[in-house]
Amino acid sequence: NAGVTQTPKFQVLKTGQSMTLQCAQDMNHEYMSWYRQDPGMGLRLIHYSVGAGITDQGEVPNGYNVSRSTTEDFPLRLLSAAPSQTSVYFCASSYSGSGTYEQYFGPGTRLTVT
Amino acid sequence: AQSVTQLDSHVSVSEGTPVLLRCNYSSSYSPSLFWYVQHPNKGLQLLLKYTSAATLVKGINGFEAEFKKSETSFHLTKPSAHMSDAAEYFCVVRPSGAGSYQLTFGKGTKLSVIP
Repeated sequence: NAGVTQTPKFQVLKTGQSMTLQCAQDMNHEYMSWYRQDPGMGLRLIHYSVGAGITDQGEVPNGYNVSRSTTEDFPLRLLSAAPSQTSVYFCASSYSGSGTYEQYFGPGTRLTVT
Repeated sequence: AQSVTQLDSHVSVSEGTPVLLRCNYSSSYSPSLFWYVQHPNKGLQLLLKYTSAATLVKGINGFEAEFKKSETSFHLTKPSAHMSDAAEYFCVVRPSGAGSYQLTFGKGTKLSVIP
């Protein structure tokens, strides 16, 4: 199993540009989520999904959009990039079968918006 | 609502000495608790998890944590620090109950290990 994969690893955008961060998992996990990590802030939840066709907002959803058309993929779209979105983005997945719902993380995407 | 407080943002220890990273939580009911580790420029890796089966939980790389309900604490310890332990550590809480996927993260404790 590849686990949770994310592309790209690094990205530089100009203010106002849009882009999609890709996330995929091959573990058949029903739950997927996106976090952003900023220094001293821990991880903050952006959006999450409990299954194909179901998404919901987390703590910091503004400026981001998601969709979940398949169990495996959960892309994160930046609609119009702003410098405040400079961050490291992590995708994670989880499943109820473990009983504890621990999350498995991808390697991250480091995004810089100039 | 749940919350997590990591009491130290930075801990520095000498190689071979004990490690203590402190975490207090607030949760409406008996939660699941986790410690994750993040090495520089890497993703997060699960270190250990508490699921109410035992209060002392053993994890990978010699780490362990003790759940103390009366103190609402879940401190992470290791008897002897190794250089490879230098990383950032996150204490995480999940509310109990089926269907509760969402995690709440502490702000992290950066562990430095001095040779």
